[in-house]
Amino acid sequence: AQKITQTQPGMFVQEKEAVTLDCTYDTSDPSYGLFWYKQPSSGEMIFLIYQGSYDQQNATEGRYSLNFQKARKSANLVISASQLGDSAMYFCAMTLNRDDKIIFGKGTRLHILP
Amino acid sequence: KAGVTQTPRYLIKTRGQQVTLSCSPISGHRSVSWYQQTPGQGLQFLFEYFSETQRNKGNFPGRFSGRQFSNSRSEMNVSTLELGDSALYLCASSLVQGRTDTQYFGPGTRLTVL
Repeated sequence: AQKITQTQPGMFVQEKEAVTLDCTYDTSDPSYGLFWYKQPSSGEMIFLIYQGSYDQQNATEGRYSLNFQKARKSANLVISASQLGDSAMYFCAMTLNRDDKIIFGKGTRLHILP
Repeated sequence: KAGVTQTPRYLIKTRGQQVTLSCSPISGHRSVSWYQQTPGQGLQFLFEYFSETQRNKGNFPGRFSGRQFSNSRSEMNVSTLELGDSALYLCASSLVQGRTDTQYFGPGTRLTVL
């Protein structure tokens, strides 16, 4: 069965430091997409970054990058130069194909300290 | 371009009542998915609609139903409400074009069942 695992329930990071949020996934399907979403206390899920299983390069979007290690089934999110506004819940997610639902991990709550 | 909108944002109902939640997708998006988020179960997929047809369904009882209109707007209905239905209900829309099918979420409807 398909599964997303986020092993860090909570993290505390000093402002301006880089932070890595861990995500491992499990699927036997060769075609899949991996996503990271940010959920502030307001509740809205904000799309951050996407990585396709066939993409050769690691995805980057501004301060966000996805460290994709296909053999290890790992898709860690790296946030460079963290800011106070980065404090939120972060979810790793996966879709198997464009017609399928998103499977979410349990999330990691990130706290940025001033 | 306007984002995904959901109405109402907050709702309080009592057990046994029914409720209808509404979601308007991003203009041009044809797929709408619904998710339930609770502290205990996390984010769970309810169903997905594409071109007015339910294309995928999660593992929820028949009390949960939905529909999609010709303008891609979607409604979700929960009948005979139970205390456990208290949750944040998130709607997401996607373009369904190409291999990247990113889902963009609305702000959610927070339902409280008393």
